[in-house]
Amino acid sequence: DQQVKQNSPSLSVQEGRISILNCDYTNSMFDYFLWYKKYPAEGPTFLISISSIKDKNEDGRFTVFLNKSAKHLSLHIVPSQPGDSAVYFCAASGSFGNEKLTFGTGTRLTIIP
Amino acid sequence: DSGVTQTPKHLITATGQRVTLRCSPRSGDLSVYWYQQSLDQGLQFLIQYYNGEERAKGNILERFSAQQFPDLHSELNLSSLELGDSALYFCASSVRGAHEQFFGPGTRLTVL
Repeated sequence: DQQVKQNSPSLSVQEGRISILNCDYTNSMFDYFLWYKKYPAEGPTFLISISSIKDKNEDGRFTVFLNKSAKHLSLHIVPSQPGDSAVYFCAASGSFGNEKLTFGTGTRLTIIP
Repeated sequence: DSGVTQTPKHLITATGQRVTLRCSPRSGDLSVYWYQQSLDQGLQFLIQYYNGEERAKGNILERFSAQQFPDLHSELNLSSLELGDSALYFCASSVRGAHEQFFGPGTRLTVL
């Protein structure tokens, strides 16, 4: 039972354009959502997060949008840079005391120079 | 560099053997989590420790066990290894109650 889904295994975007990565979830008990970036042979790196009480969170070039009614979140990267090429994982966790992360299967983002 | 360290980086062993993976959390973090990433599955939560005590369990096999020591480092013990245990094993740490977890570089386990 895949509670967090990333339906696009890969995405290619031209350098300088916007990259939009999508994530859907099924468990309404999830309280917090996170995006991680992963390079080969390295651990996931935390990028940005959002609480379920918000619908948007911004950090530099990265913005996460949350649509609770649709159980959908997205990560926008603008402008996209070659160093953004990596696998991006969406993750979700519960409320305090239930912080384990449930991950999606990842989307491989390739930025084309 | 997340501040989380894991050793060894690579481990090659045979079926039926037992191995121990080690993790040192970021300075000040009391929570340690273990995750497994197999080829055919994403990152799967195994187990969480908080300040030396088991806090939550995921899909961890009975052949696997973990502990967190007084100095807060953690070890994941895998026994009676099978071919299907070959995977990347990640450790992560966080401050109490925080959702953001910081991951180590992982240990790649290969069971032959």
